[in-house]
Amino acid sequence: DAGVIQSPRHEVTEMGQEVTLRCKPISGHNSLFWYRQTMMRGLELLIYFNNNVPIDDSGMPEDRFSAKMPNASFSTLKIQPSEPRDSAVYFCASSPNTGGYNEQFFGPGTRLTVL
Amino acid sequence: KNEVEQSPQNLTAQEGEFITINCSYSVGISALHWLQQHPGGGIVSLFMLSSGKKKHGRLIATINIQEKHSSLHITASHPRDSAVYICAVSDNTGNQFYFGTGTSLTVIP
Repeated sequence: DAGVIQSPRHEVTEMGQEVTLRCKPISGHNSLFWYRQTMMRGLELLIYFNNNVPIDDSGMPEDRFSAKMPNASFSTLKIQPSEPRDSAVYFCASSPNTGGYNEQFFGPGTRLTVL
Repeated sequence: KNEVEQSPQNLTAQEGEFITINCSYSVGISALHWLQQHPGGGIVSLFMLSSGKKKHGRLIATINIQEKHSSLHITASHPRDSAVYICAVSDNTGNQFYFGTGTSLTVIP
């Protein structure tokens, strides 16, 4: 299996632009997680899905952030409009079963820079 | 207030030394996770445990539920163990996740 796939790996954009990050979880996994990592705040959970349904989005910082999972093999995290403070590495992870008591497999991350 | 506290924040060791990284948490948990993040940025799940001890190669993770404390041990440390080690917990519902700020480990040859 190719593991969790994220695209793009790097994204540089200007403030105010829309940014879309993509994630393909490991086939057969039922849970998908979006994380953000910054030097200041470390790793933070933004939102996660169980069986394509968003369970907890309390970590989403603002209404500018939205996430979708239209099917079991694809999810997007969108930021509109983007701001410089959104610059971070965004990780997607998937887990074979629902619930936090299962191992998570992380993608390589998308490094976002908003100028 | 951080639900998960790690210590030390930074650790430098000589190759071959025994290393311990500590994690304390303040919430009821369903599981505790140890993650490893290498300088290249990739994150790997090392352990997930809810009781007792787990061992994988030179790595050992223990957890004491009553004391709300976990330790990650590395025996015979090697420069390739240099990474950031992150402790994370999922709460009793399994739906909330809390992360420590990480321990940056450097093993010198």
